[in-house]
Amino acid sequence: GNSVTQMEGPVTLSEEAFLTINCTYTATGYPSLFWYVQYPGEGLQLLLKATKADDKGSNKGFEATYRKETTSFHLEKGSVQVSDSAVYFCALSGWDDKIIFGKGTRLHILP
Amino acid sequence: GAGVSQSPSNKVTEKGKDVELRCDPISGHTALYWYRQSLGQGLEFLIYFQGNSAPDKSGLPSDRFSAERTGGSVSTLTIQRTQQEDSAVYLCASSLGRGGGEKLFFGSGTQLSVL
Repeated sequence: GNSVTQMEGPVTLSEEAFLTINCTYTATGYPSLFWYVQYPGEGLQLLLKATKADDKGSNKGFEATYRKETTSFHLEKGSVQVSDSAVYFCALSGWDDKIIFGKGTRLHILP
Repeated sequence: GAGVSQSPSNKVTEKGKDVELRCDPISGHTALYWYRQSLGQGLEFLIYFQGNSAPDKSGLPSDRFSAERTGGSVSTLTIQRTQQEDSAVYLCASSLGRGGGEKLFFGSGTQLSVL
């Protein structure tokens, strides 16, 4: 079946550092890919998505590119802020609309 | 409604008791999903509905877990004979369900504690 693997956390960075959170997937066909974020004390919300190969999703300075050849959807941000501290989840939606998530990566940004 | 509503927000129960968790999705959303969030386990897929049908129940951990959805709206997740390992946050989400790529809207969850 489909699966999502993302890097283990926690990840701790200083403010203005470059961020990469790795995500790879296994899927039949052509899934849609997502990053969701859970800020402290808040519910999960969509950060960005890409629905086909080579698409780039972007939002709030975050980007991720759908790479079919490497089955990856790594999340990047050029300069993180303290307010980016949260748990980030990579997810995929298969041909059957079943949406599965990775285990999540906790990000701490130090001022 | 304005968002996905889940009730109760907190539930404390004794081992062996049955519990019912309720999810009220956004009006007009045909797809509804249940997940379980435990520390260190991420979001574990339980079941999803397209309308009143559940195409995939493979994520339900055991036959003590069941779920139904009526009228294409409210869904109930029932856990029978609860065990301590059932303690977790149970999250519900809904989407327009028009096919791959739809955004999920999450509820605030039900924190279940089994003593």
